[in-house]
Amino acid sequence: SAVISQKPSRDICQRGTSLTIQCQVDSQVTMMFWYRQQPGQSLTLIATANQGSEATYESGFVIDKFPISRPNLTFSTLTVSNMSPEDSSIYLCSLWGGLGTEAFFGQGTRLTVV
Amino acid sequence: QKEVEQNSGPLSVPEGAIASLNCTYSDRGSQSFFWYRQYSGKSPELIMFIYSNGDKEDGRFTAQLNKASQYVSLLIRDSQPSDSATYLCAVTTHNNAGNMLTFGGGTRLMVKP
Repeated sequence: SAVISQKPSRDICQRGTSLTIQCQVDSQVTMMFWYRQQPGQSLTLIATANQGSEATYESGFVIDKFPISRPNLTFSTLTVSNMSPEDSSIYLCSLWGGLGTEAFFGQGTRLTVV
Repeated sequence: QKEVEQNSGPLSVPEGAIASLNCTYSDRGSQSFFWYRQYSGKSPELIMFIYSNGDKEDGRFTAQLNKASQYVSLLIRDSQPSDSATYLCAVTTHNNAGNMLTFGGGTRLMVKP
C-alpha cells in the first residue's frame, strides 16, 4: 500500500488567516481527493485533484476558499483561506488508483479556528 | 443526489459475537465498495474493498455485495473490544472529474467485554 504523509497534523489558527495542508505520497497516483470531516460527521468531498488539470470542486466548495495545487503525481496542497470558526474540522487527503484498487487516507489535519 | 446510507447506531454486541454492518447505496453505476474503520481522532483505515457480487473474506472480516439490491455489508466474526469504532461504507460514484468515493454517515460499533 502507498504511504501518505500529511502535514500539519493539527493547528490552531486565527480567524481571517489561511492554512496550507500538504500531502505527499511515496508513489505516483492519478487521483487525489481532499475531504472534510466535521465533528461527529462523515467525510464530505471538497474536491478532486488530478495532476495537470484544475481541481474539480463539489457543490458548496469554491476555489477561492479552498485553492488546491497538484504540481505532480506525488504531491498536493489544500489551502483553507480566510478562515472562520466554521472551518474548524479535520481535513483529509486521499489517494486512489481507480476502479478495482484500494483507496487510502493521510493521517488528517485537525484544524481549530479561534 | 447519489447517496450512501448507514444506520448510525450505536450497534452493541458482546465480545465474541458476530457484528453485522449494513450499507445501501442509490447509484446503480457504482462499481467498487469499501469498508473503513475509524477510531476517534484518527483517519479512516481501509478494512477491505469488494467489486464483485458475493462474499469476500479477509481474516475475521467478510464483505458481502449484492448489486441487484444495492446493498453491501460487513460481518465481523469473533468481535473484540478493539473493534469498537465507527465503520464507514464508501462507494464509487461519478462526477465531472471522473470517479470518486462517496461515504455513508458511518455506524458506531461497540463491543462489550
